Amino acid sequence: KNEVEQSPQNLTAQEGEFITINCSYSVGISALHWLQQHPGGGIVSLFMLSSGKKKHGRLIATINIQEKHSSLHITASHPRDSAVYICAVTSNFGNEKLTFGTGTRLTIIP
Amino acid sequence: KAGVTQTPRYLIKTRGQQVTLSCSPISGHRSVSWYQQTPGQGLQFLFEYFSETQRNKGNFPGRFSGRQFSNSRSEMNVSTLELGDSALYLCASSSGEDEQYFGPGTRLTVT
Repeated sequence: KNEVEQSPQNLTAQEGEFITINCSYSVGISALHWLQQHPGGGIVSLFMLSSGKKKHGRLIATINIQEKHSSLHITASHPRDSAVYICAVTSNFGNEKLTFGTGTRLTIIP
Repeated sequence: KAGVTQTPRYLIKTRGQQVTLSCSPISGHRSVSWYQQTPGQGLQFLFEYFSETQRNKGNFPGRFSGRQFSNSRSEMNVSTLELGDSALYLCASSSGEDEQYFGPGTRLTVT
């Protein structure tokens, strides 16, 4: 069993829909990261969180430490949001090693 | 502030050869991590350097090695290349206490 599990693996939605991507992990963590990867490979860090909730524009990330679960939400989705979204965790403080989920491929149809 | 840069961006090598990839972190960042991404295995951690010391290492054979210089620039080396080493190699830099910033990657093809 992978230490970091994401669902769904693939998601197709219409423009404007509310999107939720889920991430569950089985290890103790110091932080959870949400990353975005566009075709071509470049990875952008969207959020790093260890508790609660963070918001940036139309993106919201939440984490429940007790349940070992995080969600990434996209409001008013747009075709430019189409990308692979990757959940990753760091397990110890002062340790930059990221353990990754398998990613969620999101496609937003105009 | 300039982002993380990686050179070269694309590379084609033959089995048995060796390769060196370079990563320049964001100014002031002392931590550089390296990752391999393949269609089959996804993203996997290779190693992390902090202030010229390897602080953590993933589960890769000894053919994969790295180093970090006093200016925080880092190189990774793969010797005796195998077909399975074809991948996107990403480096990421951080201050050591914050999120990681990724470079554009080096796409290595081994033929």
